[in-house]
Amino acid sequence: AQSVTQPDIHITVSEGASLELRCNYSYGATPYLFWYVQSPGQGLQLLLKYFSGDTLVQGIKGFEAEFKRSQSSFNLRKPSVHWSDAAEYFCAVGAGDDKIIFGKGTRLHILP
Amino acid sequence: NAGVTQTPKFQVLKTGQSMTLQCAQDMNHNSMYWYRQDPGMGLRLIYYSASEGTTDKGEVPNGYNVSRLNKREFSLRLESAAPSQTSVYFCASSDRDNSPLHFGNGTRLTVT
Repeated sequence: AQSVTQPDIHITVSEGASLELRCNYSYGATPYLFWYVQSPGQGLQLLLKYFSGDTLVQGIKGFEAEFKRSQSSFNLRKPSVHWSDAAEYFCAVGAGDDKIIFGKGTRLHILP
Repeated sequence: NAGVTQTPKFQVLKTGQSMTLQCAQDMNHNSMYWYRQDPGMGLRLIYYSASEGTTDKGEVPNGYNVSRLNKREFSLRLESAAPSQTSVYFCASSDRDNSPLHFGNGTRLTVT
């Protein structure tokens, strides 16, 4: 069975600084990987996904993520954060059986 | 285009009461899901349905039952509610297992 770990519960960065949110997964084969964002009081929105091909994927709002098989990781990055990026970010993994498992999330705080 | 519709939006139950959360999608998706979201726990999969007529347990199925009534509808039933089931419940659907999830707006359930 697949599992996903987001090691950082909270991250604080200054506006304009770069961002990297970590995600590690456990699965024997190549998984399907997703990043979702949830703004306060809102539902979940897909940022990007990976299931094959180029290991660097581009998403919405200037986010990107890189799949590294050797490290079982799918970290989310943004070169320069904006105050509106303050939200909770969830990594999710699928194993080809329609079962999609989420990590516990990382809450991003932005300093002005 | 309604997407994924959940009812009700809010519900308060007393311990031992039963209720059914309703979910319907109008995107002709094959897969449907029920998650619960609790602070610090991320989204945990309760049950999912890969296709009409099939249902499977997720990470936290105890205390819940589901019905995939048809391709559009996937309901979640609490037979005897417990305070530990106080949570926000999200229904989601997807076209196939490597496709993004489309989420409903959630149901906030409080069990006293």
